[in-house]
Amino acid sequence: DQQVKQNSPSLSVQEGRISILNCDYTNSMFDYFLWYKKYPAEGPTFLISISSIKDKNEDGRFTVFLNKSAKHLSLHIVPSQPGDSAVYFCAAIQLQGAQKLVFGQGTRLTINP
Amino acid sequence: SAVISQKPSRDICQRGTSLTIQCQVDSQVTMMFWYRQQPGQSLTLIATANQGSEATYESGFVIDKFPISRPNLTFSTLTVSNMSPEDSSIYLCSSGLAGPYNEQFFGPGTRLTVL
Repeated sequence: DQQVKQNSPSLSVQEGRISILNCDYTNSMFDYFLWYKKYPAEGPTFLISISSIKDKNEDGRFTVFLNKSAKHLSLHIVPSQPGDSAVYFCAAIQLQGAQKLVFGQGTRLTINP
Repeated sequence: SAVISQKPSRDICQRGTSLTIQCQVDSQVTMMFWYRQQPGQSLTLIATANQGSEATYESGFVIDKFPISRPNLTFSTLTVSNMSPEDSSIYLCSSGLAGPYNEQFFGPGTRLTVL
């Protein structure tokens, strides 16, 4: 039962353009959604999160949009930079109970110069 | 934020042996988590480790194969027992909700190769 899904395994974007990474979920009880970035040979690093009661959160070049009715969120990176090339994981968590992060499969983003 | 270190960073092991991975957090955290990332896959939660109690294992993972210790609020170990090549993965530990945005912080991972 894949509660969090990232249907695009890879994405290639030109430097300076907008990168849009998508994520779908099935569990309406999730309280927070998070995006993590992972470089090879490193652990995931937290990028940005959004509460389930919000529909948008922005932090510099990164904006996350949440559409609860569609159970869909997206991460927008603008402008995209070569250093953004990494694997991006969408994750979700319920704050009640075990507080376990549930991860999507990841999307490998490549920024081309 | 929390800074998490893991030892070893990588290892190559023989089939049938065991490896213990250490995870150290620079601040006290109630919950710690152990994940596995198999090649090309997402992060899969192995177990939740609370100080002073038995670890809670996810479906498909058992204590005999992945014993966990949590002796205090800053340290945990995961042992991969009786290893087989299928155990070749990256193993990551993380803190529980240590940040202001309800984020978890992750260690750098231990890359395990079983021959």
